[in-house]
Formats: sequence, structure tokens, C-alpha cells
Amino acid sequence: GAGVSQSPSNKVTEKGKDVELRCDPISGHTALYWYRQRLGQGLEFLIYFQGNSAPDKSGLPSDRFSAERTGESVSTLTIQRTQQEDSAVYLCASSLKAAATGELFFGEGSRLTVL
Amino acid sequence: AQSVTQLDSQVPVFEEAPVELRCNYSSSVSVYLFWYVQYPNQGLQLLLKYLSGSTLVESINGFEAEFNKSQTSFHLRKPSVHISDTAEYFCAVIPGGYNKLIFGAGTRLAVHP
Repeated sequence: GAGVSQSPSNKVTEKGKDVELRCDPISGHTALYWYRQRLGQGLEFLIYFQGNSAPDKSGLPSDRFSAERTGESVSTLTIQRTQQEDSAVYLCASSLKAAATGELFFGEGSRLTVL
Repeated sequence: AQSVTQLDSQVPVFEEAPVELRCNYSSSVSVYLFWYVQYPNQGLQLLLKYLSGSTLVESINGFEAEFNKSQTSFHLRKPSVHISDTAEYFCAVIPGGYNKLIFGAGTRLAVHP
């Protein structure tokens, strides 16, 4: 597609369940980012991929969070044993190269609600 | 640690009035600066950016921002707003040597008729 695509757009889950969020970046974009946006708050950096490797995963809040990227394309963010504080919009962005001078293109996000 | 402070969480303004959305950052190294906008029910999109050169940068829809190194600020301004400018605006920085954007908490601009 022309833009960054994320799925699901909405996910409601019960506390303790695992969830997977998917991101399809713009074709040819080597850099991919995951951010989290809690209600009323700014964007919180989670992880950055360059190609299939993650040189910066400093923002992952706990070992319940993991992410991978394959084929320098699709990325999956997995949250294990979800907690209520995980409720947020999870945003994915991609850029042609690393973000340093370029523009990030954002998807519309996956809204996660943990009951 | 690098951080971005957006001093106003909400800014209500009447149509055709001027507006300024404030942004300050903390960084001891050179930075690149950005404003992103999120219109209702849409994803974030880049509004304007400062990388180098002229400290005043402009967007295609009339917004401008000025990089002030001494005050570590990058305030966003528009001389006359429209209803369609209603959105959330995020200031962001990339500190030198980093490859990620650090965002402020956002300012919700509400333009009233």
C-alpha cells in the first residue's frame, strides 16, 4: 500500500492474555519505529529497527514486550500477559533511512484496551 | 536525558486569531527539530522541520516555527488560524547522534468559530 498499515486497528483483550500487533511499513523503508501513546500523553518511544535488527530497544517497558522484524518489512510487537496499564494506542512509523534527517511516516495506530 | 516540553496541553482560540504553541527542549548537543500534527481520526504527519540553515521554517499551510538555540525553543506560530487547523500538535527532537524522535506531550489546538 501507499502508507504504513497497522492491524488490528482496535483490540480488546482480557488481562493476562497475549496480543500481537502488526505493522506493514512503506515499501523500501529501512527504518521502522514503534511508539506508544497513552490517553492524554505524548508518544513514548519503544523500539527502532534498521533493517531486521534493533539497535535501540531501550523504550520497551518490560520483558513482557518484544518485537521483531522480518524481510526488512513487516514488524510484530508482542505483549505477553497483558496488564491494564498496557492500554494505549501503539503507533508504528517508517522512514527511508534512519530518522536523523528524514521524515517519519506514521500508521493510524492499534488501539489496545486491556480489561 | 533529552526531553521535550510543550507548555500548553490545550489552546482554545477563535478563528482568524493568531496562535503560538510553545515547545522547549533540553539537550546539550545539536538537535534536529520537528512539529508533527495529528488531525482527528488520522495518523501523525510532519508539519515542518528544522535541520540546519535558516532558523525560521515554514509549512505549506501557513504555520512557521523559529529555532532559538539560546532559549532552546522551537515555538510554532500562525498569524490567522482556521477551523481546519483544529488538531493535536506534537513537538519532537532528534538529538545529535541519535536515530529516534523524542516527542513532547502534545498541544491540542481547538479553533472556534
